Amino acid sequence: AQTVTQSQPEMSVQEAETVTLSCTYDTSESDYYLFWYKQPPSRQMILVIRQEAYKQQNATENRFSVNFQKAAKSFSLKISDSQLGDAAMYFCAYRSPDYNQGGKLIFGQGTELSVKP
Amino acid sequence: DAGVTQSPTHLIKTRGQQVTLRCSPKSGHDTVSWYQQALGQGPQFIFQYYEEEERQRGNFPDRFSGHQFPNYSSELNVNALLLGDSALYLCASSSVSGGEQFFGPGTRLTVL
Repeated sequence: AQTVTQSQPEMSVQEAETVTLSCTYDTSESDYYLFWYKQPPSRQMILVIRQEAYKQQNATENRFSVNFQKAAKSFSLKISDSQLGDAAMYFCAYRSPDYNQGGKLIFGQGTELSVKP
Repeated sequence: DAGVTQSPTHLIKTRGQQVTLRCSPKSGHDTVSWYQQALGQGPQFIFQYYEEEERQRGNFPDRFSGHQFPNYSSELNVNALLLGDSALYLCASSSVSGGEQFFGPGTRLTVL
């Protein structure tokens, strides 16, 4: 069974600075998808960025980028030029490409990010 | 284009009661997944519905059941509520052909 681990329950960053959130996972599959979701106090889960395991190039979405290390099973999220609106709970998630897995997402425990003005 | 909607927003029940939560998927989506998120935890997969059938199920007891209607909307039913069922219940929709899961705002269930 696949597992996702986020070892940082809380992180803090100064506005305009850069912060990196860590995530490790365990799987025996060679192909899969990894995601970072943001959950603000409004509770709405919002997709931040996704990475396909077969792609060597790290995904980037504006101020958000990932460092995907497949051999190490590591998937960290870097937020550049942090803004007050980035404050939220961030979840790392795994999804198998196997149709029979139903496309379920396996989430980590989350990292609470606070942004100081 | 309306995203995923869920009702009600909040719900308070007592132990032993039954509850029904509702979800309408994003336009164009045919698959609905349900997740339970306990306070301070990541969401846990309950089950997924496609073509009005349960496609896959997570590690949840039979007290948790669901249904999908011809218009792709879905219900989550929980019988014999326990205090431990208190959580945020998230619905996510997607297309069976692939693509991302889009989440609704959730229903906060409190069991007293």
